[in-house]
Amino acid sequence: GEDVEQSLFLSVREGDSSVINCTYTDSSSTYLYWYKQEPGAGLQLLTYIFSNMDMKQDQRLTVLLNKKDKHLSLRIADTQTGDSAIYFCAEMRSNYQLIWGAGTKLIIKP
Amino acid sequence: DGGITQSPKYLFRKEGQNVTLSCEQNLNHDAMYWYRQDPGQGLRLIYYSQIVNDFQKGDIAEGYSVSREKKESFPLTVTSAQKNPTAFYLCASRADKYSNQPQHFGDGTRLSIL
Repeated sequence: GEDVEQSLFLSVREGDSSVINCTYTDSSSTYLYWYKQEPGAGLQLLTYIFSNMDMKQDQRLTVLLNKKDKHLSLRIADTQTGDSAIYFCAEMRSNYQLIWGAGTKLIIKP
Repeated sequence: DGGITQSPKYLFRKEGQNVTLSCEQNLNHDAMYWYRQDPGQGLRLIYYSQIVNDFQKGDIAEGYSVSREKKESFPLTVTSAQKNPTAFYLCASRADKYSNQPQHFGDGTRLSIL
């Protein structure tokens, strides 16, 4: 299909790892991005990965890319209450068009 | 600090009224974008501009208009023709349209109907 797909909600316990998944559509997409949106705020770039990479790690964040399945994931280690937000996945297609997922709301349980 | 400034943060529109949302950037970016965000949905592109005095319609341009007279500024007008304007509006910029550099966002304007 045409859409970038994400689950709408994810609930995890504080201190556990969160894994947010995304399925994108274009096998020739060049970059894939993860953004974070806190309530009432704009989108903050968290990390991005080039399509010829399998993994990228940045402190508590790990991005995994499976090009064969067009699957992207964001793992947040040791999830804290400050991680509570909506996480958006986006793909940059070969024509430079940016396609957005609907966002996954991460809920942290104490 | 370089960034994108959107104003106002909250805006109310009366029936039949046009309202203008401001977006200013000091990142020296060529490309600028306006998105609309509704609850539970992703970002939908309203308009974008690659260069001064040029702009293109996005996926949901009906009822909106823009101008790009200066590189730093990309205001969005929500016209009375937009029958359901209540939403969160986000402005973004990127170095240029053909760059793989990520988009940077402002803090948004929430528009409501009176």
